[in-house]
Amino acid sequence: QSVLTQPPSVSAAPGQKVTISCSGSSSNIGNNYVCWYQQLPGTAPKLLIYDNNKRPSGIPDRFSGSKSGTSATLGITGLQTGDEADYYCGTWDSSLSAGVFGGGTKLTVL
Amino acid sequence: EMQLVESGGGLVQPGGSLRLSCAASGFTFSSLWMSWVRQAPGKGLEWVANIKQDGSEKYYVDSVKGRFTISRDNAKNSLYLQMNSLRDEDTAVYYCARKNSWDHWGQGTLVTVSS
Repeated sequence: QSVLTQPPSVSAAPGQKVTISCSGSSSNIGNNYVCWYQQLPGTAPKLLIYDNNKRPSGIPDRFSGSKSGTSATLGITGLQTGDEADYYCGTWDSSLSAGVFGGGTKLTVL
Repeated sequence: EMQLVESGGGLVQPGGSLRLSCAASGFTFSSLWMSWVRQAPGKGLEWVANIKQDGSEKYYVDSVKGRFTISRDNAKNSLYLQMNSLRDEDTAVYYCARKNSWDHWGQGTLVTVSS
């Protein structure tokens, strides 16, 4: 059971938009920055969003992040088949003094 | 170019020990927090431990406390994870990752605990 809660799967058609939610508590999302990662099959995770809504250089603006209270959301617009991957949210938990991740969401582009 | 390269994984029996290494290059290693994150086969990501720039602070996930030790050698630009009393459930790919935003990851090294 992960500290952060994500839906196990989401799907949408090419060109459409999808959002992935990440729910936590005041000790993690509520008081710390959230990051989002993309993991393509057989590869290491890749940072997509940091500090809730910032994109590292090289990440297209089709990817966006937001946070409200104890929840965060990853948005992906203009879906491409190459976006099919597992997506994880992550942050620090101040009560646990530990890093925490969501259980991951598998994105299928139909 | 920034790189993180893990090594030291392999097959070990339950109760055994293993030491993982992560060689860093392309950035100022000594100025950043570093972490270990693992992923069991077919499962999600699990943060394992992190260490402050000078090694003065270390944090661990509860399941490895007392068994794993994270350390670093800034002169060698290297991060380590000493794993003792290994259990079946420690089987995973172990990644080293940079900073507390885990902004760059190595390719991972597979640790298999099995008799």
